[in-house]
Amino acid sequence: GQQVMQIPQYQHVQEGEDFTTYCNSSTTLSNIQWYKQRPGGHPVFLIQLVKSGEVKKQKRLTFQFGEAKKNSSLHITATQTTDVGTYFCAGLDNNAGNMLTFGGGTRLMVKP
Amino acid sequence: ETGVTQTPRHLVMGMTNKKSLKCEQHLGHNAMYWYKQSAKKPLELMFVYNFKEQTENNSVPSRFSPECPNSSHLFLHLHTLQPEDSALYLCASSQEGLGLVSEQYFGPGTRLTVT
Repeated sequence: GQQVMQIPQYQHVQEGEDFTTYCNSSTTLSNIQWYKQRPGGHPVFLIQLVKSGEVKKQKRLTFQFGEAKKNSSLHITATQTTDVGTYFCAGLDNNAGNMLTFGGGTRLMVKP
Repeated sequence: ETGVTQTPRHLVMGMTNKKSLKCEQHLGHNAMYWYKQSAKKPLELMFVYNFKEQTENNSVPSRFSPECPNSSHLFLHLHTLQPEDSALYLCASSQEGLGLVSEQYFGPGTRLTVT
């Protein structure tokens, strides 16, 4: 079945450093979503990417969808302590049912 | 955020108990989901209900039994659980259309401990 892998699993950064998490799918995706889960919280939707090569920005966050629609990345510029949490990607493959498959998540820790 | 509520927030139960988790969404969505979140598998889809009909059952053991009486409410009935079932159980909802997948809204979860 469809698999969505995320790397790294954990990342420690110093406040002000940049951070990137990568998401790779075993199949071509129709779209991809990103979620953030704060410690002790629940996943919250951040963004959805649909088009091949699409790039979207939200303040210090930049999201990319690969040309082949099999990978995606989330880049945070100049991390802040409020960025702490686990970032999940979730991909949809229409050929594998109309369900999102979540990656394992990347846990970001920021040292002040 | 109060769009999706879950009760109870914490539950401790023995292996011979029967309990139920409740989820309610106030967003007018037509699809609801149960996920299991643990250290081993961060977000594992268990069940999906679309227009009150179960559309997915990801090989979940029969000791977990879902119920969706209407499009706003979702239950997860638990019986004779195992210690490895201890996890955070998250409910989510979304508005689904033909060929479209929209964002999912998650509830705060129920932290379940099986002793």
